[in-house]
Amino acid sequence: GAGVSQSPSNKVTEKGKDVELRCDPISGHTALYWYRQSLGQGLEFLIYFQGNSAPDKSGLPSDRFSAERTGGSVSTLTIQRTQQEDSAVYLCASSLSRVSTGELFFGEGSRLTVL
Amino acid sequence: GENVEQHPSTLSVQEGDSAVIKCTYSDSASNYFPWYKQELGKRPQLIIDIRSNVGEKKDQRIAVTLNKTAKHFSLHITETQPEDSAVYFCAASEEYGNKLVFGAGTILRVKS
Repeated sequence: GAGVSQSPSNKVTEKGKDVELRCDPISGHTALYWYRQSLGQGLEFLIYFQGNSAPDKSGLPSDRFSAERTGGSVSTLTIQRTQQEDSAVYLCASSLSRVSTGELFFGEGSRLTVL
Repeated sequence: GENVEQHPSTLSVQEGDSAVIKCTYSDSASNYFPWYKQELGKRPQLIIDIRSNVGEKKDQRIAVTLNKTAKHFSLHITETQPEDSAVYFCAASEEYGNKLVFGAGTILRVKS
């Protein structure tokens, strides 16, 4: 596609429910990132995928968070048993290779609201 | 791990004035420093970046300076315009690093 695509753009859920957020990166980009942006906060790194290598999960805040990337393309971020503090905008980004070699292209984000 | 601090959190300037945003980083191994601009309701976009083998880089009205000894870098915007109003994020990464660590962001308001 022309850019990074994320869905849903908005998700309202009840506390305790599971949610799945989807990211479709730019075709040919081997690196895929998930960041979280809480209101008034910066961009918090969650997880990184590079090709077929093991993902860097060092930013996942708890074991309720997981992500996978199938076939080196589409990625899904899953949050189990959502809590109110999970409310944020979840941004996906992709790049041709390592972040230090070029630009990160961000999606529009998925705004999650946990009631 | 890397920690990036950004100041100020908000900045208001008159149209035509200059704006300066400063960031410090903790990991001396970091040597790639991009700046991203996020307009209201939109996605962050890269506006300029600098690597550690360069002390300053300019692109029209924006410039970035880097002081590796002091571990800080700054974004300079000259002749500010209303369309410069946005949130600006600095970031740092190692040369062979896998992730960008972002600062908390600066809300820039340009008053006309």
